[in-house]
Amino acid sequence: EVQLVESGGGLVQPGGSLRLSCTASEFTFSSYEMHWVRQAPGKGLEWVSYITSGSTIYYADSVKGRFTISRDNAQKSLYLQMNSLRVEDTAVYYCARGGHDSGRLTVFWGQGTLVTVSS
Amino acid sequence: DIVMTQSPDSLAVSLGERATINCKSSQSVLYSSNNKTYLAWYQQKPGQPPKLLIYWASTRESGVPDRFSGSGSGTDFTLTISSLQAEDVAVYYCQQYYGTPLTFGGGTKVEIK
Repeated sequence: EVQLVESGGGLVQPGGSLRLSCTASEFTFSSYEMHWVRQAPGKGLEWVSYITSGSTIYYADSVKGRFTISRDNAQKSLYLQMNSLRVEDTAVYYCARGGHDSGRLTVFWGQGTLVTVSS
Repeated sequence: DIVMTQSPDSLAVSLGERATINCKSSQSVLYSSNNKTYLAWYQQKPGQPPKLLIYWASTRESGVPDRFSGSGSGTDFTLTISSLQAEDVAVYYCQQYYGTPLTFGGGTKVEIK
């Protein structure tokens, strides 16, 4: 069974930085596109970023220039480096795996990690 | 950006009755070169991550009960729960994966009447 486990969330002050990790298992990590999607408390889903198996990268405009997605296929891990954090970045951050036929389809999701940006 | 608009925001349905959720995209999510529609539906229960229910607008994900069905084309889509069960209480989201940024509808909360 596909497993995705996020870590690295926590409380950070506005302007601060945080690095999220997502460790994958039970599938060939290097073959799949991977996503970060976030959900502010009590709100809907917002796609953040994704990285293809060939490491092409896409970002939402709301995080472009502040967040950096990366992957380490040897470690079966996905990362999200978040800099210049804002109060509005407060959310549960989910990592998700892309599908077989379309890497942009978010098929499997982790349980999420909470990021709180507050002074 | 493709804007996804869901309706209604919430609905209450009696057990065993039909629930219908609508989703409209601001532009077509049909990719003409492969004739595939890049529209998905997710279910999210409280405290849980979203779960993929439907993709390619009408293909049920493995293990999803057949009371869930997706329909529509072009810009107008529907998720139907044919006979609502207690375990279907959740928020449902549509999503287009035609292009970036990937975008979700605002969600529809389904409750028991």
